[in-house]
Amino acid sequence: AQTVTQSQPEMSVQEAETVTLSCTYDTSESDYYLFWYKQPPSRQMILVIRQEAYKQQNATENRFSVNFQKAAKSFSLKISDSQLGDAAMYFCAYRSPQGAQKLVFGQGTRLTINP
Amino acid sequence: NAGVTQTPKFQVLKTGQSMTLQCAQDMNHEYMSWYRQDPGMGLRLIHYSVGAGITDQGEVPNGYNVSRSTTEDFPLRLLSAAPSQTSVYFCASSLLWDSQETQYFGPGTRLLVL
Repeated sequence: AQTVTQSQPEMSVQEAETVTLSCTYDTSESDYYLFWYKQPPSRQMILVIRQEAYKQQNATENRFSVNFQKAAKSFSLKISDSQLGDAAMYFCAYRSPQGAQKLVFGQGTRLTINP
Repeated sequence: NAGVTQTPKFQVLKTGQSMTLQCAQDMNHEYMSWYRQDPGMGLRLIHYSVGAGITDQGEVPNGYNVSRSTTEDFPLRLLSAAPSQTSVYFCASSLLWDSQETQYFGPGTRLLVL
């Protein structure tokens, strides 16, 4: 079974600075999908960014980018120019391409933005 | 589109009581699922369904039942609530076979079992 580990329960960053959230995963599959979800205090789960394992290029969405290291099974999220609205829980998630679209989540990292 | 809706938003139960958490989606998604979120443990899959009449267990199915009589609805039943079921519950849906598809989450139901 696949597992996802987020080893940083909490992180903080000064507004306008850059922060990187870590995620590692374990799988024997060669093809899969990885996601970062944001959960603000409203509890709504918001997709931030996704990465297909077969793509070597790291995904980017505006101020959010990932560093995908397939051999190391690492998938970190970099947030540039941090804004107060980025404060939230961030979850890393894995999805197998086989069968149903089940997601395996990490434990989450709570990100605080200091003004 | 309303997306994924969940009711109620918050519920308090006594140990041993039963209740049903409702989930509905209006996007004609084949796949629907239930997760529970507990502090320090992320979201864990309880049950999922790939279409009407088809359900299967996820990682933490004990104490929960599901059924899928229509494409739109996927209720989660607690037959005899226990304090260990205190959690926030999320319903999610997506197309089943589109690899580009992402899952859409409902707003969550916070359940407190006393």
